[in-house]
Amino acid sequence: NAGVTQTPKFQVLKTGQSMTLQCAQDMNHEYMSWYRQDPGMGLRLIHYSVGAGITDQGEVPNGYNVSRSTTEDFPLRLLSAAPSQTSVYFCASSEQGAVGGYTFGSGTRLTVV
Amino acid sequence: DQQVKQNSPSLSVQEGRISILNCDYTNSMFDYFLWYKKYPAEGPTFLISISSIKDKNEDGRFTVFLNKSAKHLSLHIVPSQPGDSAVYFCAASARNDKLIFGTGTRLQVFP
Repeated sequence: NAGVTQTPKFQVLKTGQSMTLQCAQDMNHEYMSWYRQDPGMGLRLIHYSVGAGITDQGEVPNGYNVSRSTTEDFPLRLLSAAPSQTSVYFCASSEQGAVGGYTFGSGTRLTVV
Repeated sequence: DQQVKQNSPSLSVQEGRISILNCDYTNSMFDYFLWYKKYPAEGPTFLISISSIKDKNEDGRFTVFLNKSAKHLSLHIVPSQPGDSAVYFCAASARNDKLIFGTGTRLQVFP
């Protein structure tokens, strides 16, 4: 049982490049979310999903796209990377939503130069 | 606008004493609250939660108190141990919708 798996663990991008952060969970959880962690800002919600085919915006969605074609996967796409997107990104999943508590992956550290 | 606020960025407590971490929220629709603990280079891990129909929930050394009228919750750790040194985040949700986190408090427990 791997839990929530995020890849890659580290990534350096040039401004303007695009990339996809991968997130997969093997717990058959319906709820999945993406957060970014920045110093002094805590964890901020980017996008979330309550099931396959359903996504919604969080607190800071600009510059990011998501899709949820399967229950297991919830990739986060950076369309045109900017230095302001330098951050640590966490993916999380839950069986019951907030009430059940979310399980987090170990994070992806992204640097945009 | 930050809906969940942790106004103390850091807290230092002696081993064996009580640690009290505070959290305030502005959205009166929040009805479920959680505390997460985070070590460096790891994802947050769930610690304890409380529903708005309760004012206290206890799990071993950890107790969460909720004051709905003040829109305030706190996490008490008794007794504090060096392994409790981490960043603690409070989080809140309305109607089991998206989970909104605070800015975190770094707890250091010293011998």
